[in-house]
Amino acid sequence: EDKVVQSPLSLVVHEGDTVTLNCSYEVTNFRSLLWYKQEKKAPTFLFMLTSSGIEKKSGRLSSILDKKELFSILNITATQTGDSAVYLCAVASRGKGAQKLVFGQGTRLTINP
Amino acid sequence: DADVTQTPRNRITKTGKRIMLECSQTKGHDRMYWYRQDPGLGLQLIYYSFDVKDINKGEISDGYSVSRQAQAKFSLSLESAIPNQTALYFCATSGGAGYGYTFGSGTRLTVV
Repeated sequence: EDKVVQSPLSLVVHEGDTVTLNCSYEVTNFRSLLWYKQEKKAPTFLFMLTSSGIEKKSGRLSSILDKKELFSILNITATQTGDSAVYLCAVASRGKGAQKLVFGQGTRLTINP
Repeated sequence: DADVTQTPRNRITKTGKRIMLECSQTKGHDRMYWYRQDPGLGLQLIYYSFDVKDINKGEISDGYSVSRQAQAKFSLSLESAIPNQTALYFCATSGGAGYGYTFGSGTRLTVV
């Protein structure tokens, strides 16, 4: 059974700090790993990673995948209160199962002013 | 207009009632999904559909049924609602493998 585990489950930091969120996975026929940000309702897409060692970057957010060790990290530098959200990691596999994502539990990030 | 629209946004219903949650999309995607979210459990897949004639069970399909009325419409039914089905429900669409999902705004369902 495919499995995605995120850590920590909850994190509280001060504005300006740098945070690293972790995602490890066990999946048959890995295709891609995705990161989402969920503030109030619908998750919004951040990154899709398919290759090891290639960093994806968007402003203060960056993410990288290690397919050998089966994990990914999401980094946020110079955090702002607007970064407060639940961050979800999900994995897609190849084959018919590629059409569905398996999600981790999420990391609830709180940024205090 | 939103790409993926869910109705209703919020619903309270009594135990034993039948309830339907509706989802429509304007993205032209074939793939549609229903997920539920409970606190601390991430999103769990209920049902998914690759086209109008293709319906598949997800991890937690017991107590739920779905109908794909058209490419753009995918509804989720609770035949006899029970309190542990109280959750946030999301519909999502995808353009295919290698693409991310687009989520609706969610339906908060409370069963009392």
